[in-house]
Amino acid sequence: NAGVMQNPRHLVRRRGQEARLRCSPMKGHSHVYWYRQLPEEGLKFMVYLQKENIIDESGMPKERFSAEFPKEGPSILRIQQVVRGDSAAYFCASSLSGTGLVNKGYTFGSGTRLTVV
Amino acid sequence: QKEVEQNSGPLSVPEGAIASLNCTYSDRVSQSFFWYRQYSGKSPELIMSIYSNGDKEDGRFTAQLNKASQYVSLLIRDSQPSDSATYLCAVNDASNTGKLIFGQGTTLQVKP
Repeated sequence: NAGVMQNPRHLVRRRGQEARLRCSPMKGHSHVYWYRQLPEEGLKFMVYLQKENIIDESGMPKERFSAEFPKEGPSILRIQQVVRGDSAAYFCASSLSGTGLVNKGYTFGSGTRLTVV
Repeated sequence: QKEVEQNSGPLSVPEGAIASLNCTYSDRVSQSFFWYRQYSGKSPELIMSIYSNGDKEDGRFTAQLNKASQYVSLLIRDSQPSDSATYLCAVNDASNTGKLIFGQGTTLQVKP
């Protein structure tokens, strides 16, 4: 019973390139959350998605960032024209239901560490 | 602006001592509270959740919640060097969609 799977684990991009981060939720989970952790900082919420819907993107930068969670396949966090300030660890978590948090909290994937050079 | 505040530390305790980690939050309607442990270079790992005022114990860990004071703490008894990590306090957002607001984290160092 695999947990939340993220890939790649490490991603290096040159300034101006695109970064695509993938997150496969736990089996049966249809809710996905993306968080970003800048160096020496706590986690910051970015976006909450259900299958084919963005529910809350209040933490997403207005430009260059987008997220999707298609009917089939993993959730994708896409960063266009990356800049050095995008260098961070990006974590994804999943849950059965958005309000299922009361009982268990959620488990994070191992993360993608993006380095922009 | 909803906030979760933690002392960044480092908090240094000798092996076998009790480590006390503290967290305050600003949103009075928050209902769910979590402590995550994060080792350097790893992802956060959920170690405790608490929803009601009072104490909740799980092994060497005790979470304490005081909603009137908007304060949540984590006690680690018989601290071990393997407990050395950053501890993140998290509070659910009032929207109740599962979104969490995290503190900056407290770095704990347990010295042998």
